[in-house]
Amino acid sequence: GAVVSQHPSRVICKSGTSVKIECRSLDFQATTMFWYRQFPKQSLMLMATSNEGSKATYEQGVEKDKFLINHASLTLSTLTVTSAHPEDSSFYICSASREGAQGYTFGSGTRLTVV
Amino acid sequence: AQRVTQPEKLLSVFKGAPVELKCNYSYSGSPELFWYVQYSRQRLQLLLRHISRESIKGFTADLNKGETSFHLKKPFAQEEDSAMYYCALRGSGNTPLVFGKGTRLSVIA
Repeated sequence: GAVVSQHPSRVICKSGTSVKIECRSLDFQATTMFWYRQFPKQSLMLMATSNEGSKATYEQGVEKDKFLINHASLTLSTLTVTSAHPEDSSFYICSASREGAQGYTFGSGTRLTVV
Repeated sequence: AQRVTQPEKLLSVFKGAPVELKCNYSYSGSPELFWYVQYSRQRLQLLLRHISRESIKGFTADLNKGETSFHLKKPFAQEEDSAMYYCALRGSGNTPLVFGKGTRLSVIA
């Protein structure tokens, strides 16, 4: 079945530094990947949609210069949190879909803690 | 606007009792509805989708367009059903899922 690998699963960084999160589709080509953010005890909130080879589409209120998304190939999308602040601490989850498929496959998530 | 509402944050039932997790949605067209489950320390997994009309792990869900609902049901709850359940909606095309806030199901032995 479709598998999405997300790395790292957990990261702690200092304020002001940048963190890169990778999302890979292991056994299929993901034409579209979605990045979500989940605060404690809350639902998943869509941050952006990335399509391979084109610029990501960000949801309202999500700073595109802070959350850089790159989807350079059909199997890899990255989310870089730039100049991280403690309020960026959250659980980030990627999701991938493939052409013609129903539903989506989710990564295992990345717990980011900014200290 | 697309919206998914799960009115219950927490639902506790005894083992063997029936379970119904409520989900209502708001969408102007014909959406696709999904239920996802997240067991402790695991990733989100697709449980079922309304298009396939299948039963997974004893769970079923029927799309009621008149009531704009997609409630998840199981006649006899089991302890291993304890998890977080998310109802989700997708519009037409390859668009992102919109999630409800989730319901934590706790099955008590």
